[in-house]
Amino acid sequence: AQSVSQHNHHVILSEAASLELGCNYSYGGTVNLFWYVQYPGQHLQLLLKYFSGDPLVKGIKGFEAEFIKSKFSFNLRKPSVQWSDTAEYFCAVSRMDSSYKLIFGSGTRLLVRP
Amino acid sequence: GAVVSQHPSWVICKSGTSVKIECRSLDFQATTMFWYRQFPKQSLMLMATSNEGSKATYEQGVEKDKFLINHASLTLSTLTVTSAHPEDSSFYICSARTGRTDSNQPQHFGDGTRLSIL
Repeated sequence: AQSVSQHNHHVILSEAASLELGCNYSYGGTVNLFWYVQYPGQHLQLLLKYFSGDPLVKGIKGFEAEFIKSKFSFNLRKPSVQWSDTAEYFCAVSRMDSSYKLIFGSGTRLLVRP
Repeated sequence: GAVVSQHPSWVICKSGTSVKIECRSLDFQATTMFWYRQFPKQSLMLMATSNEGSKATYEQGVEKDKFLINHASLTLSTLTVTSAHPEDSSFYICSARTGRTDSNQPQHFGDGTRLSIL
């Protein structure tokens, strides 16, 4: 079945540690890729997106993600996390032939310890 | 930035009652709105897509007579859970974007509504 997989359900890091959250999808063809963040008590917010061009995408708050087509992956990275990065992170995929509907991964809860 | 307001944020009601959830785009015209359902520790599952002035398109397995969606204006969509039962308890989230069904514009999300049916 076509899906979006996030490998880590829970991640705990100390401040200043580096972060990488995995995301793989199983759709063929052209896809658009997104990372959303949900801070405690808040709505989903777009961190970054990839439509085309440079596969290394930079988003808000120092996050970046790399699209590796051969691996069907779109991993999220941040060199040095802060306590304020504690949140849930969702990877999502959309496709033109699905009317650009978003298909979400199951999410990764990140806890950053001060 | 684009703001989507969802109301109420939490509702508790008795089994058999109907519950209406509102989703409003506050500072942009939302041609398309989406309704998602999120179970604990699971991802958001798309329930339906609605374009302003048209009937909603429901995803496979979603009962259209159970989950009534109305998108009568460019700033408001409503989801009504009819004759709600405990198994309908969940977290419901709406999102909105400009552009119609085939648009690649980003979606903007509401804060969600936690529905608890006793």
